[in-house]
This record gives sequence, structure tokens and C-alpha cells, in this order.
Amino acid sequence: GAGVSQSPSNKVTEKGKDVELRCDPISGHTALYWYRQSLGQGLEFLIYFQGNSAPDKSGLPSDRFSAERTGGSVSTLTIQRTQQEDSAVYLCASSSPKGGSAFFGQGTRLTVV
Amino acid sequence: AQSVTQPDIHITVSEGASLELRCNYSYGATPYLFWYVQSPGQGLQLLLKYFSGDTLVQGIKGFEAEFKRSQSSFNLRKPSVHWSDAAEYFCAVGASNTDKLIFGTGTRLQVFP
Repeated sequence: GAGVSQSPSNKVTEKGKDVELRCDPISGHTALYWYRQSLGQGLEFLIYFQGNSAPDKSGLPSDRFSAERTGGSVSTLTIQRTQQEDSAVYLCASSSPKGGSAFFGQGTRLTVV
Repeated sequence: AQSVTQPDIHITVSEGASLELRCNYSYGATPYLFWYVQSPGQGLQLLLKYFSGDTLVQGIKGFEAEFKRSQSSFNLRKPSVHWSDAAEYFCAVGASNTDKLIFGTGTRLQVFP
């Protein structure tokens, strides 16, 4: 596609429920990143994919968070048993194997009530 | 450990005035440095990047930044600010142009007419 697409753009969920956030990267981009932006905070790295593998999962805050990528394209970030502190904007980015910088999607705003 | 510090949380300038946003980084090797801008309700947009070579880099929208290794700084500058430049600005560092990025907490720029 023309840009990185994320869905949904907004999600309100009840505490304890599971949520899935989707990222559709730019076509041909092999690297994919998930970040989290909390109110008043900078961007916090969560996980990085190269193709379908995740060489760096160091930013996932707990075992309630997981992510997968299939076909070297779409990625899903899953948060189980959501907590109020999970409320944030979740940003996805992708970059080309030829180098160059990461392009970001518009993000998914998650609100846990 | 890698880190990025943006010491100014909020800056206010008059339209037409010059601007400098500060960024200091801590990194063990030659860093890849980036400035991104986030306008209200928008995703992150890359302003400019430094990988190597000339330490003064030009970006989009009339912005430039200077890499100073001795000061571990990568300050963003613009000679004359426009009202449309009001946004949040993030400095970031990475190990390469495809590695995960470590972001600063951002500087919110307000522009008065």
C-alpha cells in the first residue's frame, strides 16, 4: 500500500479482555516495528520483526503482550487480559530492506476502561 | 545503555523567529540519528536523518540538524518558524538505519502569531 496502515484506529475495551491490533506495512518492507506511546511519554520500543522472525522482543512489557507476523507482511499485536496501564497509542512502522528510514502508521489508540 | 534526552518539554516561539530544539544522546558506537515530527492526530513523519558524512544535514520543511560528536548532540534548527510548525518533535537514535529506534520524550513546539 501507499503507507503503513493500522487498524482499528481506536479501540475501547474492558479491563481483562484481550485485544488484537493490526499493522499492514508498506509493500516490500521486510522490517516491521511496534512502539507504544503513552500520554506524556516518548515512544517505547516493543518488538521488531525481520521477515516473519522477531530478533528483538526486548521491549514487550510483560508476557501478556505477544506479536506475530505472517507472510512477511501483516503483523498482529495481541494484548491479553488488558490492564488500565495498557492504555496508549500503539504505533507500527516499517522499513525497506534497501535501507532508509522507518515509516510510521497513524497508530491505534487503545483505551482500557 | 542507549538513551536520548530532549531537555525541553515545551517551547514557545513567535512566528518568524528562529528555533533550536536540543537533543543529546548516549550511545556506544557511531549512532544513526533521526528527527521526527508528530502533528496533532497525525502519525510520525521523518524530518531528517544523519548516518555519516557531512555533520550538517538538511531535511524537509526547511529544517536542519547538526551532529556534534564531542557534545553528543544532534540539535534541530530552523531559521524562521511558521505557524504550521506547531507540533511535537522527537529525536531518536539507532544502531543502523533499520534497527529499532530509541526515542526521546519529545518537545512540544507552540508558535504564536
